[in-house]
Amino acid sequence: AQTVTQSQPEMSVQEAETVTLSCTYDTSESDYYLFWYKQPPSRQMILVIRQEAYKQQNATENRFSVNFQKAAKSFSLKISDSQLGDAAMYFCAYRLINTGTASKLTFGTGTRLQVTL
Amino acid sequence: EPEVTQTPSHQVTQMGQEVILRCVPISNHLYFYWYRQILGQKVEFLVSFYNNEISEKSEIFDDQFSVERPDGSNFTLKIRSTKLEDSAMYFCASRAGTQYFGPGTRLTVL
Repeated sequence: AQTVTQSQPEMSVQEAETVTLSCTYDTSESDYYLFWYKQPPSRQMILVIRQEAYKQQNATENRFSVNFQKAAKSFSLKISDSQLGDAAMYFCAYRLINTGTASKLTFGTGTRLQVTL
Repeated sequence: EPEVTQTPSHQVTQMGQEVILRCVPISNHLYFYWYRQILGQKVEFLVSFYNNEISEKSEIFDDQFSVERPDGSNFTLKIRSTKLEDSAMYFCASRAGTQYFGPGTRLTVL
């Protein structure tokens, strides 16, 4: 079974600084997706960034980028120029690439990010 | 931009009552999901639905739960006899490629 581990329950960053959230996962599969979702106090789940395991290039989305290390099964999220609106719970998630079936997302336990002035 | 919608946003019910949570997935998506999140915990998979049938379900999704796609747009989760421990946020999601989540329904069982 696939598992996703986020070892940092809470992180804090000053506004305009950079922060990295860690995620590791365990799978025996070779084709999968990895995601970071943001959950603000409203509790909506918002997709931040997605990485396909077959792509060597790390995904980037504006101020958000990932460091994907497939051999190490590591998938960290870097937030640059942090803003107050980035304060939220961040969940790392895994999904098997499996065409024809509705592959589920497996989530980590989340990291709560605080952004301070 | 298309989005997944869920109603109601908050449902309060008495233990033992039936509840139906409703979702309207994004129109061209084929895969549908329900997840739940107990307060302060991680998001847990409940069930996936594809081609008008359940594709996969978790151990949480017991006989008290059922899903239905009664027409071309709605996707519902029914809990037949609610328990206190069913109190949680329930998220619907749909996907073509990436899963997109609805805003959630907060279910409170008293």
